Amino acid sequence: GQNIDQPTEMTATEGAIVQINCTYQTSGFNGLFWYQQHAGEAPTFLSYNVLDGLEEKGRFSSFLSRSKGYSYLLLKELQMKDSASYLCAVIQGTGANNLFFGTGTRLTVIP
Amino acid sequence: DAMVIQNPRYQVTQFGKPVTLSCSQTLNHNVMYWYQQKSSQAPKLLFHYYDKDFNNEADTPDNFQSRRPNTSFCFLDIRSPGLGDAAMYLCATRSAGANVLTFGAGSRLTVL
Repeated sequence: GQNIDQPTEMTATEGAIVQINCTYQTSGFNGLFWYQQHAGEAPTFLSYNVLDGLEEKGRFSSFLSRSKGYSYLLLKELQMKDSASYLCAVIQGTGANNLFFGTGTRLTVIP
Repeated sequence: DAMVIQNPRYQVTQFGKPVTLSCSQTLNHNVMYWYQQKSSQAPKLLFHYYDKDFNNEADTPDNFQSRRPNTSFCFLDIRSPGLGDAAMYLCATRSAGANVLTFGAGSRLTVL
């Protein structure tokens, strides 16, 4: 089985930095994704981590610690358009056919 | 340009009236998925196709069926929708050997 935990909601100020945490417990861990999902729209791919460490991509960075079952998504220079849900998802076993999502963190960016 | 296209975007049906949702892709990906996402919940995998091989999740109700007539198209059939089936239905694709899924914009189903 798998257990993926994220905070339900977060609020941050435009221009600030926010860190969204994700903890997971799963057998056969084989990678972790972060997806962004605006209300009523499809999830869009943000990042993929399979090795420990930090992956940076523009204003977004994602960190993974496999030994701790922990990841975070870091958003810098927040913009109003970053208001969305952020979904943490883990691959269990081989292949993305076993991709399991957390319930997502709803981020609200305020002026 | 949208690469995974779902139709219709919004579907309203009556309790028990069959519904078909469609998904088409221009990516030529081997794998196609159907997820169900209820309000404020995680997307839940219903089933997936690897080429023509169909894989049903153990807890997917029999009420949900799928067809994949060719590489580009996949359909989700809900034979007798109940109120509990109201949700967003997401189609996603993946190329064999890659892990990243590409999602369509979803089809939101309302059951009256």
